[in-house]
Amino acid sequence: GAVVSQHPSWVICKSGTSVKIECRSLDFQATTMFWYRQFPKQSLMLMATSNEGSKATYEQGVEKDKFLINHASLTLSTLTVTSAHPEDSSFYICSARGTYDYEQYFGPGTRLTVT
Amino acid sequence: GQNIDQPTEMTATEGAIVQINCTYQTSGFNGLFWYQQHAGEAPTFLSYNVLDGLEEKGRFSSFLSRSKGYSYLLLKELQMKDSASYLCAVRDSNYQLIWGAGTKLIIKP
Repeated sequence: GAVVSQHPSWVICKSGTSVKIECRSLDFQATTMFWYRQFPKQSLMLMATSNEGSKATYEQGVEKDKFLINHASLTLSTLTVTSAHPEDSSFYICSARGTYDYEQYFGPGTRLTVT
Repeated sequence: GQNIDQPTEMTATEGAIVQINCTYQTSGFNGLFWYQQHAGEAPTFLSYNVLDGLEEKGRFSSFLSRSKGYSYLLLKELQMKDSASYLCAVRDSNYQLIWGAGTKLIIKP
């Protein structure tokens, strides 16, 4: 089956620093990748959708200058949280979908803690 | 607006059957998904319905009625490991997934 990996699985950083999270599709070409954020006991919240080679489409209320998304290849997308603050602490999950696929395949998630 | 409703929490007994309902109002419909999410982990795919009727996959079944904007996930022979949140998601006319808030299922021995 389709496998999506995320790295790192958890990260602790200091307030004001930037953190990069990688999302890779290991055995298929992901034409579309999605980035979600999930706070404790809450549902998934879509942050942005990115198609390979084009700019990401951000959901309302998500700051594109703070959450930089790059989908430069069919197997890799990155999310960079810039100038992180404690309120950015959350579980970040990516998912990927192939060109002719109806299913989104989720990565294992990255738990970010900003101190 | 787009809306997906499912119960916040349900409790069931090990070995029993539980049905988790999901109602939706979305701009267009291109399929309904059920995902399972254990605490601290990413969601995992359970089922996909795009036509009316019942899809059975082992202990799990999912039903869809497009005219009623309604789906349910049926879990049989419940096991303790089934304790998790179950997320209903609908793909709208723009092929975006609209997520429900999830139903936390608690299994008691």
